[in-house]
Amino acid sequence: QSALTQPASVSGSPGQSITISCTATSSDVGIYNLVSWYQQHPDKAPKLIIYEGDKRPSGVSARFSTSKSDKTVSLTISGLQAEDEAYYYCCSYALSDIWVFGGGTKVTVL
Amino acid sequence: VHIVQSGTEVKKPGDSVRVSCKTSGYSFLDYNVHWVRQAPGQGLEWMGWIRPGSLKTGASERFQGRVTISTDTSANIVYMDLSGLTYEDTAVYYCACPIRAATFFDYWGQGVLVAVSS
Repeated sequence: QSALTQPASVSGSPGQSITISCTATSSDVGIYNLVSWYQQHPDKAPKLIIYEGDKRPSGVSARFSTSKSDKTVSLTISGLQAEDEAYYYCCSYALSDIWVFGGGTKVTVL
Repeated sequence: VHIVQSGTEVKKPGDSVRVSCKTSGYSFLDYNVHWVRQAPGQGLEWMGWIRPGSLKTGASERFQGRVTISTDTSANIVYMDLSGLTYEDTAVYYCACPIRAATFFDYWGQGVLVAVSS
């Protein structure tokens, strides 16, 4: 049972914005600046797109942004493009050197 | 940073498997190496980590007692041994390296398929 809950799927049309939520279900995960996000295309390794809550690695589009509300961290993809169709995972560093991934969200571009 | 993992493994139930992860391009001793697996059609699952310089390790409770993570510091290689394989251990196993900071994974290996089949 993951301690980070994500919706199974989210969809949107090109140009729209979509939001993927990541809700912590235990108290030692989901601290905003310890959350990272990964994009995974089919048969590819995951790729880091957000780290330390809201930072983007070099080369990652500014269309990816995050926000926080209580125990939920959300990833927003603005100006949805066909290349954004992928799975997205949140991940949190928890206490005592443990890491937890969310269950993953499939993003479909309609 | 460059990470190369070993090749596909096919094992029988009850067997053990060793997969490797060879890294280059950074100070191997100073950064953790993690293992993350992904069963077919499923999400990412964090398994454990090692700090090559100190040999300190940690693992998810789900795998404690079955997983051993070790290193050959002379060759910049990290190994992950998983024992008591069941069909549910069929997955792609990734190694991942947090370089910029310890709390996220900015470099990933290509993954290695471990298939458990009778």
